[in-house]
This record gives sequence, C-alpha cells and structure tokens, in this order.
Amino acid sequence: DTEVTQTPKHLVMGMTNKKSLKCEQHMGHRAMYWYKQKAKKPPELMFVYSYEKLSINESVPSRFSPECPNSSLLNLHLHALQPEDSALYLCASSQVQGSRGNTIYFGEGSWLTVV
Amino acid sequence: QKEVEQDPGPLSVPEGAIVSLNCTYSNSAFQYFMWYRQYSRKGPELLMYTYSSGNKEDGRFTAQVDKSSKYISLFIRDSQPSDSATYLCAMSAATDSWGKLQFGAGTQVVVTP
Repeated sequence: DTEVTQTPKHLVMGMTNKKSLKCEQHMGHRAMYWYKQKAKKPPELMFVYSYEKLSINESVPSRFSPECPNSSLLNLHLHALQPEDSALYLCASSQVQGSRGNTIYFGEGSWLTVV
Repeated sequence: QKEVEQDPGPLSVPEGAIVSLNCTYSNSAFQYFMWYRQYSRKGPELLMYTYSSGNKEDGRFTAQVDKSSKYISLFIRDSQPSDSATYLCAMSAATDSWGKLQFGAGTQVVVTP
C-alpha cells in the first residue's frame, strides 16, 4: 500500500463550488508534488513544494491554489473550475527535491469531476 | 518529437509469458530511469529505479538501461493476470529539479489466463 494518502478518493463539484484535496505522508519526505492525469495520458506536473515552500509552479491557472501547512501535509484548493479540469489528481513525495537518487512515490489519487 | 517515446499498446500476452516493454529517449542528459505500474483508476506504483547502464533485477522484474542507445526496457517474467495494468516509464536529468519527471505515454498490458 502507498504511504501517500489522499482524500477524498472521489469528488464531484459544480463550477461555482470551492473544495479542497488533501494529501498526507509520514515518510519524512521534504518534497511534495501535485500532478494531474487525464484519461489515457501520463501524469503532468502542476506544483512542487520543497521544505514547505513552493518551488515549482508549472503555469497552473489560479483556480488551483496549493498549500503546504507542514512537512507532512499538502492541500490543493479548488475554485471556479471548468469541466475540462476533470481528471485524476495525484499527490506524490520524495526525500528532498534536487538531490540525486531520489525516487518519487505517488498516492492513489483523487478523482475529480466538474459538472 | 517527444523526449520520451513509448508504444501505448495494448500488449496482450498469455499467462506465464515474458512481457517486454521499452522506451526510447532523445535527451542525453537523462540519468535516472523509473518504471511505474498503474492499475485502472489508481495512482502509479514505483516498480523499478535505475541510474546507470546495465541490468537491475527485482523478483520477476528486470530493468535494463542502455544509455549509448538511449533505450530502456522492463521485462516481466512468468506474467500473471494481476500484471494487467499500464506501465509508465519515467526519467529525469541530474540537473533537473526532481519532480519534473518526463513520462512515456504508458503501455497497456493485458495478461490473459
């Protein structure tokens, strides 16, 4: 079983709703990531947090707002999403961003449907 | 041209056969190579991680890296129906910030009983 836990597993939201996806890891990793995956496509990087600070934002629209309250938690706040934002949202973690030999572990994902 | 090329399949094999998967890449800076397994509607699961040319074995899985040819492979011996999944190759350069993995398209594998 993955040690990266994501909630909720499924989320349906309207275009005017505000919701949040949550991620937790207890492996002592100091880098955490949000990826987005559309059907039959590979994951695409959205955000990277390193030591609780945002280090990479892959030009993601502002309707997606990440937050890293502490080294174990990562949130993704969602507001005014579009139907095309429907996808599997994956949280991942690794020991430290930028170090050689790191491997990235993914959670099970949160399935988001925007109606 | 994509940086990482992977045949999307589907690849169908009978139970007990060897599954052979591969990816080619164009960026010679890639030094770290991973294979992930992803079941339908689940997150990717790390199977193998290598950082040098040669072979690495773990149980029924063998990963091969040939940097001179820019070619990586994953072999699954004694395949089982439970191996039916999508297999993603991923790679990264030492100079890249980790987290910016370059993924292949993923190969769908079906192992038939």
